[in-house]
Amino acid sequence: DQQVKQNSPSLSVQEGRISILNCDYTNSMFDYFLWYKKYPAEGPTFLISISSIKDKNEDGRFTVFLNKSAKHLSLHIVPSQPGDSAVYFCAASALETSGSRLTFGEGTQLTVNP
Amino acid sequence: EPEVTQTPSHQVTQMGQEVILRCVPISNHLYFYWYRQILGQKVEFLVSFYNNEISEKSEIFDDQFSVERPDGSNFTLKIRSTKLEDSAMYFCASSYRTGIPEAFFGQGTRLTVV
Repeated sequence: DQQVKQNSPSLSVQEGRISILNCDYTNSMFDYFLWYKKYPAEGPTFLISISSIKDKNEDGRFTVFLNKSAKHLSLHIVPSQPGDSAVYFCAASALETSGSRLTFGEGTQLTVNP
Repeated sequence: EPEVTQTPSHQVTQMGQEVILRCVPISNHLYFYWYRQILGQKVEFLVSFYNNEISEKSEIFDDQFSVERPDGSNFTLKIRSTKLEDSAMYFCASSYRTGIPEAFFGQGTRLTVV
């Protein structure tokens, strides 16, 4: 299942700099996109979402950008903090056809170095 | 802060045995889900449940799987005859209404089939 893809398995950034995590999707029926963060031995924690009618959503240090024509979304974290070190999952939902079922990407391990 | 709780955190079972994974969703949530993550693979949707019935299931969710909400608080996933390939982390999630895919996940149950 390659409908949601995160091509970078890992990303390392310095504290205070910007972290940019990327996600691509192929299913044009997806109309809602989410980012989850996961620490070891915990479940995914919802971070931020965006509807397909928008191209940007911001919440504090986290901003999600959606480029529908490119079927690409990204999560920007600025400034990055060591506590942001976790696996970040991109997920997508096709609300009109599949309800709230989430399709996940592979995840990107973010490491923020002090 | 309300959270989804899952028990047990780790279950080891013999191949062919039945297992029941338990979850207590957030109290005012109405939609319940099971996802799983096989080691090294993506988080995969199994089933969604609303109003005491399955609303959607994936191709993974075959006759060996069943879900139940036996009382007002618990939500269970039963695997009737476990196989080695059922070994995975199983996540329960809940959301308070459909159209809002921001599901809240439990910490997971690691199922090991030997």
